[in-house]
Amino acid sequence: QQQVKQSPQSLIVQKGGISIINCAYENTAFDYFPWYQQFPGKGPALLIAIRPDVSEKKEGRFTISFNKSAKQFSLHIMDSQPGDSATYFCAARANNAGNMLTFGGGTRLMVKP
Amino acid sequence: DGGITQSPKYLFRKEGQNVTLSCEQNLNHDAMYWYRQDPGQGLRLIYYSQIVNDFQKGDIAEGYSVSREKKESFPLTVTSAQKNPTAFYLCASSISHSPGQPQHFGDGTRLSIL
Repeated sequence: QQQVKQSPQSLIVQKGGISIINCAYENTAFDYFPWYQQFPGKGPALLIAIRPDVSEKKEGRFTISFNKSAKQFSLHIMDSQPGDSATYFCAARANNAGNMLTFGGGTRLMVKP
Repeated sequence: DGGITQSPKYLFRKEGQNVTLSCEQNLNHDAMYWYRQDPGQGLRLIYYSQIVNDFQKGDIAEGYSVSREKKESFPLTVTSAQKNPTAFYLCASSISHSPGQPQHFGDGTRLSIL
């Protein structure tokens, strides 16, 4: 049972466009939501994270939008660049689970020049 | 240059053989983690360790074993009991197991069955 559902599995965007990746969860104990970026043959790297007391967090071209009532959160990549082509994972941590993360299934993003 | 080093990058296992994957960190982190990555399934937690000489099972611990004899080292053994070991294995660490501490990942070991 996947506790964090991520969509789409793959995404193709033109350079300069907006990439949107969505995640949904059921566990109301989740209280920390990071996004990771992974390039081929490499480990994931933390990109940006949000807590449920805010509805949006922006860092450069990357924005997390969070909808607590719908139990959904999304990553928006503005002005997408070919260098953003990677696999993106959302994750969540429950408030009673120490620092253990539950990951979504991943989205493979390709940004076409 | 601080970080997490996983070795080898590629590993091949024969049927019925145990293999050990290495994970070393020089970040002085207390907590370490092992994940398995399969296509389309994201990362799943195998084992984690909050501190030296302590470790706990994750979601998919069957067929795996770990040890944490030194703070900087957290090796993972894939035993012959793991019937489907082909995957990409990732090691991570964080300052502590306290909530919200960023996890830093190594570059993984890809294990295949001969």
